[in-house]
Amino acid sequence: DAGVIQSPRHEVTEMGQEVTLRCKPISGHDYLFWYRQTMMRGLELLIYFNNNVPIDDSGMPEDRFSAKMPNASFSTLKIQPSEPRDSAVYFCASSLGGSNQPQHFGDGTRLSIL
Amino acid sequence: DQQVKQNSPSLSVQEGRISILNCDYTNSMFDYFLWYKKYPAEGPTFLISISSIKDKNEDGRFTVFLNKSAKHLSLHIVPSQPGDSAVYFCAAPKGRNQGGKLIFGQGTELSVKP
Repeated sequence: DAGVIQSPRHEVTEMGQEVTLRCKPISGHDYLFWYRQTMMRGLELLIYFNNNVPIDDSGMPEDRFSAKMPNASFSTLKIQPSEPRDSAVYFCASSLGGSNQPQHFGDGTRLSIL
Repeated sequence: DQQVKQNSPSLSVQEGRISILNCDYTNSMFDYFLWYKKYPAEGPTFLISISSIKDKNEDGRFTVFLNKSAKHLSLHIVPSQPGDSAVYFCAAPKGRNQGGKLIFGQGTELSVKP
């Protein structure tokens, strides 16, 4: 079975540009999560969706960040405008059910903002 | 406020010996814990979990122990193999109605030497 698929795997862009990260969750999973991993803050949750509806976006750092889930098989995380401090690895994860259910992670997008 | 803590950033073990990875938490309301393993350039992979109604859960070479009074859990790997070399994260769902909002520790990098 296909796991969580993220694209692109690597993104290098200049400060001020719009960045769009993409995620395809595991088919049938009803929860989708976006995480960011940095050396300073570790792995932190940005936002999560249940049945395509954003439930908690308290981890989104600023208004420059936005996430959408137009259907059950696709989600995007956008940063506009991007800044060097946004450089990190961004992970998408999905799960079937919420609490006490393992989340399955994609391999991440390594984002570098110059 | 780091509610899930892994105080050892790294651990080195000889192949065939036991690896013990530790995790402490501060929130007594946590009732479920998960361990994830992460290889470089890949996403975290679910390894094993434990509910607070148990004090031990075993899966092959991996055993997780939970000491609720001490707010401490540990992951034992016996025997350790070079392929176990990875970063290990412990995590806990933030609350029953949080939809699986996981709080991760900072991770411990395990190196198993042949």
